Amino acid sequence: DAKTTQPTSMDCAEGRAANLPCNHSTISGNEYVYWYRQIHSQGPQYIIHGLKNNETNEMASLIITEDRKSSTLILPHATLRDTAVYYCIVRHDYKLSFGAGTTVTVRA
Amino acid sequence: ETGVTQSPTHLIKTRGQQVTLRCSSQSGHNTVSWYQQALGQGPQFIFQYYREEENGRGNFPPRFSGLQFPNYSSELNVNALELDDSALYLCASSLPDRVGEQFFGPGTRLTVL
Repeated sequence: DAKTTQPTSMDCAEGRAANLPCNHSTISGNEYVYWYRQIHSQGPQYIIHGLKNNETNEMASLIITEDRKSSTLILPHATLRDTAVYYCIVRHDYKLSFGAGTTVTVRA
Repeated sequence: ETGVTQSPTHLIKTRGQQVTLRCSSQSGHNTVSWYQQALGQGPQFIFQYYREEENGRGNFPPRFSGLQFPNYSSELNVNALELDDSALYLCASSLPDRVGEQFFGPGTRLTVL
């Protein structure tokens, strides 16, 4: 599976957009980018995924660069409840390979 | 719609013992995956079950084994417990054609003394 690189941590102001970067320079043509988050003491939660086109759902937007070597997860209006560890995953087959993720702290 | 449930919530065992963890998948989901999450790390894939058969396995020794039942619920069994087995064990269910969209349970916290 392609390896991903994410910043260890980032802060965000409540009500502002949070932009979470992820590098996946070794991604293959048939590998999808998935984002999950894990709020403290809970199981991970699926957010969004994409292959090459930008995607949007009720939780977030996913922007994938044209060369597919990086992506950005956008939380449009961060709230305190968005404080969590966010994982960027490149999935090739049946399993999800989680890295260390980015610890996002939303501050009032 | 019932989400993924796991039991027990917490468990304390001693080294060398055996443990069984249980998972009920989300309604309609016939694929179940198990993960181990050590403190401060991301979840690590143990194995996946589909239609009662192991569908794939991560880098875990054979003393980690599993079962899936006709109602899609699943068990994770760990024999000869070691101190390093102390972790949060997560179960996730999914549809077979949407295996990347996994719904996770709250986990079982296992402590090995």
